[in-house]
Amino acid sequence: GDSVTQMEGPVTLSEEAFLTINCTYTATGYPSLFWYVQYPGEGLQLLLKATKADDKGSNKGFEATYRKETTSFHLEKGSVQVSDSAVYFCALSDHFGNEKLTFGTGTRLTIIP
Amino acid sequence: DAGITQSPRHKVTETGTPVTLRCHQTENHRYMYWYRQDPGHGLRLIHYSYGVKDTDKGEVSDGYSVSRSKTEDFLLTLESATSSQTSVYFCATGGGNQPQHFGDGTRLSIL
Repeated sequence: GDSVTQMEGPVTLSEEAFLTINCTYTATGYPSLFWYVQYPGEGLQLLLKATKADDKGSNKGFEATYRKETTSFHLEKGSVQVSDSAVYFCALSDHFGNEKLTFGTGTRLTIIP
Repeated sequence: DAGITQSPRHKVTETGTPVTLRCHQTENHRYMYWYRQDPGHGLRLIHYSYGVKDTDKGEVSDGYSVSRSKTEDFLLTLESATSSQTSVYFCATGGGNQPQHFGDGTRLSIL
């Protein structure tokens, strides 16, 4: 079945550091890929998405590129801020009509001033 | 704001009691989903609905049932709650070529 593997956390960085959170996937067919972010006490918010190979999703300074050859969708940001502290989830959806999401286990990111 | 309201937001109950969680949406989305979030597991799909009275199981459906009698409401029921069902429950809407949007969650503790 489908699966998503994220780098283990927690990740702690200093403000303005470069961020990479690794995500790889296993899926049949051609899934869509997503990054969701969860701030404390809240639900998940869609951060960015990509629906086909070589697409780049971007939002709020975050980027991720759909790499079919390496089955990866790594999240990057050039200069993180304290407000980026949250839990980040990589996810995929199949294309079999119901768009169910399969999630990674999440990576907790803490940015220190 | 994706127009999703979950109720209650917090609940504490005892083993063996029935529990119903409600998800209400205002966006008229066809698809609705129930997930549970547990440390080390991310979010896992419990049940989903693709229309009124049309539901199907997810990967962790044992011990849960759902109902959808109206487009806007999707209920999750634990017929006889167990401690292993202590979790944070999230409702989501969307799908069908639209990204899913999530409610703020219900924190359920079963003692």
